[in-house]
Amino acid sequence: QQPVQSPQAVILREGEDAVINCSSSKALYSVHWYRQKHGEAPVFLMILLKGGEQKGHEKISASFNEKKQQSSLYLTASQLSYSGTYFCGTPRNSGNTPLVFGKGTRLSVIA
Amino acid sequence: EPEVTQTPSHQVTQMGQEVILRCVPISNHLYFYWYRQILGQKVEFLVSFYNNEISEKSEIFDDQFSVERPDGSNFTLKIRSTKLEDSAMYFCASSDDKGAHSPLHFGNGTRLTVT
Repeated sequence: QQPVQSPQAVILREGEDAVINCSSSKALYSVHWYRQKHGEAPVFLMILLKGGEQKGHEKISASFNEKKQQSSLYLTASQLSYSGTYFCGTPRNSGNTPLVFGKGTRLSVIA
Repeated sequence: EPEVTQTPSHQVTQMGQEVILRCVPISNHLYFYWYRQILGQKVEFLVSFYNNEISEKSEIFDDQFSVERPDGSNFTLKIRSTKLEDSAMYFCASSDDKGAHSPLHFGNGTRLTVT
């Protein structure tokens, strides 16, 4: 069952902050975040693992609330290069299985 | 940095024809995946492959689809009899460990257009 993302889209001016949310109806082992620019492949940003381990990007942070089955991606002091569609991915079944992705959040950063 | 490569970048085919999409995963990766993305929509899981066999597949991956690792480097997706609704971007991905705690590395995709 796919995770649910919100908001669907957001427009920011350079320097503003944004939060993208991802929630699941089932217990999560991990949450992945990817960014896809128009016409390109999704690119890995970050993994959040059960137990708090985080692997990923320097300038973008995220949280993972295992009890609430939610994750949030924090983009601070946004830059034009942050524009794209952000997808969260969660294991398809329990534990260590392939990812299924949410519908994505389209982020547009304008000057 | 090693990358996943896909060929062709764009494939146009007529309905009912067979297509083979090719991928070269990162060389030391053991887990391979196909995803598809219909224009403007989410990235959908099709199939995962490990140790020369399918480990999981979605409801989308029906009998018209098959995957193969014909040699030590290539990973292919075959669609036997294409339909209009198969038009999409198909992404191959690989990882060095199982999906939940290992990043997926995506190729640049093959845009399949069925006419």
